Amino acid sequence: DAGVIQSPRHEVTEMGQEVTLRCKPISGHDYLFWYRQTMMRGLELLIYFNNNVPIDDSGMPEDRFSAKMPNASFSTLKIQPSEPRDSAVYFCASSLALTGGPQETQYFGPGTRLLVL
Amino acid sequence: GQSLEQPSEVTAVEGAIVQINCTYQTSGFYGLSWYQQHDGGAPTFLSYNALDGLEETGRFSSFLSRSDSYGYLLLQELQMKDSASYFCAVSPSATDSWGKFQFGAGTQVVVTP
Repeated sequence: DAGVIQSPRHEVTEMGQEVTLRCKPISGHDYLFWYRQTMMRGLELLIYFNNNVPIDDSGMPEDRFSAKMPNASFSTLKIQPSEPRDSAVYFCASSLALTGGPQETQYFGPGTRLLVL
Repeated sequence: GQSLEQPSEVTAVEGAIVQINCTYQTSGFYGLSWYQQHDGGAPTFLSYNALDGLEETGRFSSFLSRSDSYGYLLLQELQMKDSASYFCAVSPSATDSWGKFQFGAGTQVVVTP
C-alpha cells in the first residue's frame, strides 16, 4: 500500500480564499482523522470519521472549517474563507480501529503545509 | 478529559541513553503510544503499551504504569538520526471522549556528536 496520500503538499493562498485539502486513507482502514499542527498548539485533532461518517468534529475551530468523506477512499477538509491564523500543517491519518492494540496505530500522510497571506 | 505532559527538549550525545517521560491525566484509555516526527515530516508510530510494563523494539523501549499515570520512552545507543520530536499519545476509552486521540506537546531530542 502507498500509505496515506495527501494533496497538495504545499498551499499558499491569500486571506479570504477557499482552501481544499485532500486525503486518501490506507485501503481497509475504517477510521480517518484530520489534524492540525502548529508550534503554539501542537498536534490537534480536528475531526474523525468512522466508515465515512463524521463521528466527532468538536475540534473544528470554526464554521469556516468543514470536512467530508464521500467514500472510503477520499476525504476533504475545506476552509472558507481562509485566514492567516489558519496557517499550519494539516495531517490526515487513518487507522484500523480505536479499541487498543496495534490496530489503533495511526498512519499519517505527509501533510499539507498551508500558508495564508 | 485528558492531558499529557512531556519535557519540551532533551539533549544528549551519540551513544547515550535518553528517557522521555510522559505523565498523564485521563479518565481512561486503551493504551499509550509513542510517535516520532522528524523536522518537516509526519508522525510515525514507534511503540505501544496496552499493559503495564516494558515493551522493547530494538533500540527503543517504552514503559507504562497505569497506577502511577506515567510512561516513558527509552532511546538507547543514540544516533544522529534519532534527532526528532517524540510524542506520547492516548486513545481515550471513556464514552464522551472515545476516538478523540490526544497527543502530548512533544519532546525535541537533540543528538550531538
